[in-house]
Amino acid sequence: DAMVIQNPRYQVTQFGKPVTLSCSQTLNHNVMYWYQQKSSQAPKLLFHYYDKDFNNEADTPDNFQSRRPNTSFCFLDIRSPGLGDAAMYLCAAATGVNEQFFGPGTRLTVL
Amino acid sequence: DQQVKQNSPSLSVQEGRISILNCDYTNSMFDYFLWYKKYPAEGPTFLISISSIKDKNEDGRFTVFLNKSAKHLSLHIVPSQPGDSAVYFCAASGRSNKLVFGAGTILRVKS
Repeated sequence: DAMVIQNPRYQVTQFGKPVTLSCSQTLNHNVMYWYQQKSSQAPKLLFHYYDKDFNNEADTPDNFQSRRPNTSFCFLDIRSPGLGDAAMYLCAAATGVNEQFFGPGTRLTVL
Repeated sequence: DQQVKQNSPSLSVQEGRISILNCDYTNSMFDYFLWYKKYPAEGPTFLISISSIKDKNEDGRFTVFLNKSAKHLSLHIVPSQPGDSAVYFCAASGRSNKLVFGAGTILRVKS
């Protein structure tokens, strides 16, 4: 089945230690998204790529960066994780219309 | 500023009965609305959508109703089944590729 895959599913890092989360998709969709979701809250869009065009949300902290080396892969880099960055990180892919296909998420713990 | 609100954090329904999940939005530029379902340890999966040119869309046991004047939509599940127990997210989009999510409603279907 075509899928959105996220690795790892669980990531533990230390306060201030850089961490990278990865996402890949076999859908060949041109738009990819990264969301942050904290407990009992709505998924919050951090940024998205429309093909290679990077779109950052205005309130996304500078601590968060992203790379999309090709259509299939997208990475989320957290340069200096703080305790407040502990959350579920969701990756999604879409054709640019509306329906987004989500991966299973990576749960980040910051010690 | 929550543009999409799901005011009921949880809902409990008996198997075989109707489940009604509600969602309100504030942005009149939204023209497409979606419902996603999320099981624990999985990413959200698309359930059903509706365009603002319609007031109802049906897919099997799932029906979404849109009341544009009230800026309100609802998801009806009938009959409810224990496998429907999950978190349900309402989402909305305007002319961009971005979705704005509500905080979700936990549905429990009791057998």
